[in-house]
Amino acid sequence: AQSVTQPDIHITVSEGASLELRCNYSYGATPYLFWYVQSPGQGLQLLLKYFSGDTLVQGIKGFEAEFKRSQSSFNLRKPSVHWSDAAEYFCAVGGSGNTGKLIFGQGTTLQVKP
Amino acid sequence: NAGVTQTPKFRVLKTGQSMTLLCAQDMNHEYMYWYRQDPGMGLRLIHYSVGEGTTAKGEVPDGYNVSRLKKQNFLLGLESAAPSQTSVYFCASSMHRVNEQYFGPGTRLTVT
Repeated sequence: AQSVTQPDIHITVSEGASLELRCNYSYGATPYLFWYVQSPGQGLQLLLKYFSGDTLVQGIKGFEAEFKRSQSSFNLRKPSVHWSDAAEYFCAVGGSGNTGKLIFGQGTTLQVKP
Repeated sequence: NAGVTQTPKFRVLKTGQSMTLLCAQDMNHEYMYWYRQDPGMGLRLIHYSVGEGTTAKGEVPDGYNVSRLKKQNFLLGLESAAPSQTSVYFCASSMHRVNEQYFGPGTRLTVT
């Protein structure tokens, strides 16, 4: 069955520290992978996406993610976290079917300490 | 260019009442989706549409109906609301099946 797991429900980091949010997926075919961010009371905004090619992808707000097929992972990273990065982060996987459906992980809530 | 908009933003219903949530997009996208978001469960797909006049069931379709009479609009209906349908509902759209989805701001629904 297709699934996405975000092992960390809640993460707290200090401002200026580095960040890594984990995402593992189970998908039978070539996956398309996404990271979205949701600020409180807001909709989801796309941070970055991986379709093919270079396995290290750059996104908005200084985020990057690396696709590792052998580990079925697509972890999100940022070298230096800002207080404004506090939000909920969702990893999602889609595929080459004709529906465009995405499967979302449970989300990771990021808290940033001053 | 407003992107994806949702109406209403908030609603409180009594058990058994009905309502319709409206999603509109001005990006000429073919694909549209309705999700519900519940704490600790991420987003779950309710129904989706791959083009005007088409609809299909997602992961959690029971208790909901949808219609896509116009390409830019995707309506989600609750015929007889239940407390289990208390949730935040998000609409999304995409140009192509392998494109990213663009999300609306959400509708917070409470059923008492």
